[in-house]
Amino acid sequence: QVQLQESGPGLVKPSGTLSLTCVVSGASIINITWWAWVRQSPGKGLEWIGEIYHDGSTNSNPSLKSRVSMTIDKSKNQFSLNLNSVTAADTAIYYCARSRGDNWFDPWGQGTLVTVST
Amino acid sequence: NFILTQPHSVSESPGKTVTISCTRSSGSIAGNYVQWYRQRPGSSPTTVIYEDDQRPSGVPDRFSGSIDSPSNSASLTISGLKTEDEADYYCQSYDDNDVIFGGGTKLTVL
Repeated sequence: QVQLQESGPGLVKPSGTLSLTCVVSGASIINITWWAWVRQSPGKGLEWIGEIYHDGSTNSNPSLKSRVSMTIDKSKNQFSLNLNSVTAADTAIYYCARSRGDNWFDPWGQGTLVTVST
Repeated sequence: NFILTQPHSVSESPGKTVTISCTRSSGSIAGNYVQWYRQRPGSSPTTVIYEDDQRPSGVPDRFSGSIDSPSNSASLTISGLKTEDEADYYCQSYDDNDVIFGGGTKLTVL
């Protein structure tokens, strides 16, 4: 079955860049599907960050679009997220997920907590 | 853009039926599919309903989804409540530019 695993630094300084990677197993990342990022601030709800297709096409949350970039590495079967100019408001658990058509996210990775602090 | 509004919390007794609503502020609820996710404490969300009313394999038929155009809302109904159903439930939909999650509903089974 498809599994996703996020990785990256757990602590990022304010004004820095948050960088995360999601490794996909059990499926090829070049399948006809999108790969998404979603975050959840502590004790809060879910927020869609964006998604990437195997050809490099991307869609992003309009409120984050200017700070978000995403890439895909077919050779490593993984995709990545960069979020720049971070502030404390970007502190959250970051999840990667497969987007199964019509923006149905399944499955999700276990999530990784990123804290923005000095 | 639009907002999906859910009740902050609901509670019901084991064996009973509960319905969680999700109201779309603008645009037609029927125009884009609605998904429902369950999130237990410390865990990732998992799908209980996709494409308005479809259950993934492994989700019991106690879970059902529906949409109501007149009220522009979607609903998740859980029948025969079990203590293991206690969790946060999120609805989610989209439009041409964005993907939106509801604020989540905490279900307590007491």
